[in-house]
Amino acid sequence: GAGVSQSPRYKVAKRGQDVALRCDPISGHVSLFWYQQALGQGPEFLTYFQNEAQLDKSGLPSDRFFAERPEGSVSTLKIQRTQQEDSAVYLCASRPGGEWTEAFFGQGTRLTVV
Amino acid sequence: SQQGEEDPQALSIQEGENATMNCSYKTSINNLQWYRQNSGRGLVHLILIRSNEREKHSGRLRVTLDTSKKSSSLLITASRAADTASYFCASPPMDTGRRALTFGSGTRLQVQP
Repeated sequence: GAGVSQSPRYKVAKRGQDVALRCDPISGHVSLFWYQQALGQGPEFLTYFQNEAQLDKSGLPSDRFFAERPEGSVSTLKIQRTQQEDSAVYLCASRPGGEWTEAFFGQGTRLTVV
Repeated sequence: SQQGEEDPQALSIQEGENATMNCSYKTSINNLQWYRQNSGRGLVHLILIRSNEREKHSGRLRVTLDTSKKSSSLLITASRAADTASYFCASPPMDTGRRALTFGSGTRLQVQP
């Protein structure tokens, strides 16, 4: 595709519900990142993939958060037993490869937990 | 934790004026990048400056980098209403080995028509 695509754009979940957020990176991009952005704040790093390998998951806030990229392209961020503090915009970004290049971001998924 | 901190947090100017935003960072960097985020949208890359560069231009954007002070500035000249957005500096810090960009908290720029 032309850019990074995320779905759904908006998600409302009841507290305790599991959610799955999808990211379609730019075709051929090796690196994929997930960020969490609270209202009025900058994006906070969650996890990083290089192809299908999850090389850094140090930003995941709890074991309720799980991410995968099984075939090295599409990625899913799963949040189990959602809580109100999980309400945020979840951003996905991809990069062709190499470490020092710009990242391309999707529009994000706005998650609201009620 | 955040690597960069932007200053000011919010800035309101008139169309045609220049806007200057500053970023301070904590650890050594290989490069520093600036991104723009329109309300409700994803981030868009504006410009990247490497640690061995001191100044870089792109259209109406001018970025400076002072590695001795661990600071950078973004200047937008002749601002337009369409420049209204949040602006973030970001860098991949070298000392942690993390390969992901670490963002500051952003400057919210409002350009009045």
